[in-house]
Amino acid sequence: SQELEQSPQSLIVQEGKNLTINCTSSKTLYGLYWYKQKYGEGLIFLMMLQKGGEEKSHEKITAKLDEKKQQSSLHITASQPSHAGIYLCGARSGGGADGLTFGKGTHLIIQP
Amino acid sequence: NAGVMQNPRHLVRRRGQEARLRCSPMKGHSHVYWYRQLPEEGLKFMVYLQKENIIDESGMPKERFSAEFPKEGPSILRIQQVVRGDSAAYFCASSRESAQYFGPGTRLLVL
Repeated sequence: SQELEQSPQSLIVQEGKNLTINCTSSKTLYGLYWYKQKYGEGLIFLMMLQKGGEEKSHEKITAKLDEKKQQSSLHITASQPSHAGIYLCGARSGGGADGLTFGKGTHLIIQP
Repeated sequence: NAGVMQNPRHLVRRRGQEARLRCSPMKGHSHVYWYRQLPEEGLKFMVYLQKENIIDESGMPKERFSAEFPKEGPSILRIQQVVRGDSAAYFCASSRESAQYFGPGTRLLVL
């Protein structure tokens, strides 16, 4: 079965600094999804990447997919307190609309 | 366009009782997924349904758990004879094609 490993597990960053979160898959990626979860709440959809080399940005968050390395990265520029939370990467194991496998998440804390 | 709705948001049950969790997908979405998030564990896929059909239930425990998505009404995740180990956050997601949008979850506590 597919496994996703996220690094780092937790991250404390000073407000205004940049940061990167990585997600590595044990198998070929057929679609990589990034979500953000606030403690005790649901998941907020951030971005979906489907093609190798694809890069998407939304506000100060950029995600890239390196299909050959079976890896994706999420980069936040000029971090703000509102970026704090748990970032989860999810991936499909096949080409259909099936359930996602998730990493264990990266806990991000922004220090003012 | 309302997002994915789940109710109740919090549910307390005693051991041996039944828990029924409801999920209303986003308008226009015909795919529903249920996930479970246990303390100290990641989010785990349970079951994938389309209207009146279970497509993939590979993540569902073999006993006590069942799911349905009737032609009319919300999707239901049913847990019979709950045990303390069933305490978790249960999330529903819906999609039309690829991207899955999650509801706020139901937090089940079994006493």
